[in-house]
Amino acid sequence: ETGVTQTPRHLVMGMTNKKSLKCEQHLGHNAMYWYKQSAKKPLELMFVYNFKEQTENNSVPSRFSPECPNSSHLFLHLHTLQPEDSALYLCASSQESMRGNGNQPQHFGDGTRLSIL
Amino acid sequence: SQQGEEDPQALSIQEGENATMNCSYKTSINNLQWYRQNSGRGLVHLILIRSNEREKHSGRLRVTLDTSKKSSSLLITASRAADTASYFCATDLYSGAGSYQLTFGKGTKLSVIP
Repeated sequence: ETGVTQTPRHLVMGMTNKKSLKCEQHLGHNAMYWYKQSAKKPLELMFVYNFKEQTENNSVPSRFSPECPNSSHLFLHLHTLQPEDSALYLCASSQESMRGNGNQPQHFGDGTRLSIL
Repeated sequence: SQQGEEDPQALSIQEGENATMNCSYKTSINNLQWYRQNSGRGLVHLILIRSNEREKHSGRLRVTLDTSKKSSSLLITASRAADTASYFCATDLYSGAGSYQLTFGKGTKLSVIP
């Protein structure tokens, strides 16, 4: 039990489908993140929500659309994905301070393994 | 951009031996963190070391930080088969407006043979 739950664990979709990934954190944290993990590449930060506001969007294609309705829930909406989008998508949360003294430990879910046909 | 880089990429040892993994980074940091990832699972935070600290211990884990060389090492003593996993270092990269983003290396894949 990690305190961060991601659903579904596995998802297979065609390039024209629309689907959503869900993340829920039970830790009372104020920041949530989406990462993409591909084979033989470093973990890539996609989106950051800090105090429910999106603060980072690392040039992610518009076919990925995040949504953070409250501090406990985070969604990643997927639309017309490409084969190169097949990867493990990880959600994380942390308790960040306003002081800007660097990142605090992040707690990760077990990810959604996404396969695009 | 990639900030941290682990070395070696893969490491295979016998149970009971010590395992040492190294991390080098490029720009100055506030904190450096180490994470473990078991196959098919998410990352688990192991230890955070601040830029003004030189060494930190947690159970069988020992982390050192040398800010003059921009490097860190993770030592796992008396390894167990359950330590088999990938290990990542992560550093904070200033992204503007008082915000930092955590950047990860590609990881070291550790195999502990029973």
